[in-house]
Amino acid sequence: DSGVTQTPKHLITATGQRVTLRCSPRSGDLSVYWYQQSLDQGLQFLIQYYNGEERAKGNILERFSAQQFPDLHSELNLSSLELGDSALYFCASSVGGGVNTEAFFGQGTRLTVV
Amino acid sequence: GENVEQHPSTLSVQEGDSAVIKCTYSDSASNYFPWYKQELGKGPQLIIDIRSNVGEKKDQRIAVTLNKTAKHFSLHITETQPEDSAVYFCAAIYDKVIFGPGTSLSVIP
Repeated sequence: DSGVTQTPKHLITATGQRVTLRCSPRSGDLSVYWYQQSLDQGLQFLIQYYNGEERAKGNILERFSAQQFPDLHSELNLSSLELGDSALYFCASSVGGGVNTEAFFGQGTRLTVV
Repeated sequence: GENVEQHPSTLSVQEGDSAVIKCTYSDSASNYFPWYKQELGKGPQLIIDIRSNVGEKKDQRIAVTLNKTAKHFSLHITETQPEDSAVYFCAAIYDKVIFGPGTSLSVIP
């Protein structure tokens, strides 16, 4: 168990809908990262937050947004969902704010868009 | 753009043999190179990492080597066991994280 908690584990929704994925980092970690894993794109870094502030941005679509709250948990919001958004979404956390610090992954949320 | 190549995409070894997975990266500014193991239905787990000021790092049966000049790094697993079967991802990191496409390792008992 990495100590990173993601909810829900599975989510099925229709195209055009909006969903929110939640992540609680390991105790003491200030950084939260979001990743998307799909068969055709592999593991893609989406965005990083450090202590409430956006720190780094990857291949995140404009339909997606994230935030980190004062208690350090984070939410990833996916809107106007398309079939191609079906994927595993992972959250990871680390102590440091640099992207180049070791990160620990949660178990993921499997999103299915139908 | 920046990318990380990883070879082979699949690897099958007999229990007890060694396994080697190789990655090359394009961004010469990358200075942190973690390796992750992902078992079925689970998130990636960090197994070893190396920074650009080090050429080799070892942790029990796992070792990683880095050649910054050639921009490649490798994962070596010795005395493989069935529980080593998983997908392994390399990554190169500077100001962004770029993952390799993964290697599916099967260790045959």
